[in-house]
Amino acid sequence: QSALTQPASVSGSPGQSITISCTGTSSDVGDYDRVSWYQQHPGKAPKVIIYEVNKRPSGVSNRFSGSKSGNTASLTISGLQADDEADYHCCSYAVGSSLVFGGGTKVTVI
Amino acid sequence: EVQLVQSGAEVQRPGATVKISCKVSGYFFMDYYIHWVRQAPGKGLEWLGLVDPEDATIIYAEKFQGRVTISADTSTDTAYMELSSLRSEDTALYYCATSGGGYDIHKFDYWGQGALVTVSS
Repeated sequence: QSALTQPASVSGSPGQSITISCTGTSSDVGDYDRVSWYQQHPGKAPKVIIYEVNKRPSGVSNRFSGSKSGNTASLTISGLQADDEADYHCCSYAVGSSLVFGGGTKVTVI
Repeated sequence: EVQLVQSGAEVQRPGATVKISCKVSGYFFMDYYIHWVRQAPGKGLEWLGLVDPEDATIIYAEKFQGRVTISADTSTDTAYMELSSLRSEDTALYYCATSGGGYDIHKFDYWGQGALVTVSS
């Protein structure tokens, strides 16, 4: 199972919206709605911010939203804030009851 | 409060085997899957496999088949991950994490603090 493809970095100014893509195949993202996204600040464990493509856990800001089209899932952060500067990882359920992550995207607030 | 507490950092020689533990508290151990995920320095997350403590079902990522062994001890609420034939590329922070079963399998709700494994001669 190959890793999902994410851009290495995305940047934006405070208040702007940014979108991170996560491209897989018909054996993972394209065939299942079990896509999740994780936010990871330096030196910390990841934290789930989106699951089942577009659902937010309790307590996660509604500035984070998820979507999917074909083999590509996307995470949008609206109203970018300084604290959003972190690494973001996508994850998908895949054929064979396995899971696969993306390479991670570093978000910079400029 | 749910807590996953992992064993400490390890330094191992190439070719050796490392075993990491993940002690769970704050919920009924058999209610959730335990996954193992690693992160090499400056890299993304990589899934190694999971165990369902309720029935001991284990699933390994294809890449690690034959080299990784995951287990769960329901008497001590502890999960284990053993990785053999270590090489320098296995140097990483190894996390345990929980998820529900079924449709929630992809949603990692709680994470351990990570255990750094360094492979060096």
